[in-house]
Amino acid sequence: AQSVTQLGSHVSVSEGALVLLRCNYSSSVPPYLFWYVQYPNQGLQLLLKYTSAATLVKGINGFEAEFKKSETSFHLTKPSAHMSDAAEYFCAVSDYAGGTSYGKLTFGQGTILTVHP
Amino acid sequence: EAGVAQSPRYKIIEKRQSVAFWCNPISGHATLYWYQQILGQGPKLLIQFQNNGVVDDSQLPKDRFSAERLKGVDSTLKIQPAKLEDSAVYLCASSLDRGVNSAFFGQGTRLTVV
Repeated sequence: AQSVTQLGSHVSVSEGALVLLRCNYSSSVPPYLFWYVQYPNQGLQLLLKYTSAATLVKGINGFEAEFKKSETSFHLTKPSAHMSDAAEYFCAVSDYAGGTSYGKLTFGQGTILTVHP
Repeated sequence: EAGVAQSPRYKIIEKRQSVAFWCNPISGHATLYWYQQILGQGPKLLIQFQNNGVVDDSQLPKDRFSAERLKGVDSTLKIQPAKLEDSAVYLCASSLDRGVNSAFFGQGTRLTVV
């Protein structure tokens, strides 16, 4: 079974500071990994995804994430936080193994990011 | 391109009543998901369709929840009878096909059971 652990349910940063949201996963097959963002009363929006190409993945809004197999991690970063980045962020893993498998998408518990002026 | 449409946005019902949610995925998307998101938790997959067939419903409480996807397009999720613990946001998502295609989410339906 696959799972995702997001370390820290709340992260608070100052505007302009580095954003680091942590995600660790477990998967019985080579994982496909995603970060989603959710604004209040909205659905989830894809930020970026890792699909076994480059280990450093760049996404929208200046976010990026690095896949580290040895650490089973996929942490999300942004060099300089903006007030508009305040939202809840979810890491997810898919167990798609090719062939006839379907790839179940499993989410972590989420991290709420607060940005202070 | 139109996104995933869900209705209603909000619903309040009494326990033991029934409720239904509707989802219209992005045109051409073969895979459709229903997730339950309880306050303070990540989304939990209830059911996954590939076209009009179910490929995963292992976490669907089948004694009270049902879902269908007729003609491989729209989908409805029903709860009968509802319990207090069913209060949550129900998210519908779709993706182009199985595999690692990105899932696109609707805005969700917030259900409150009183």
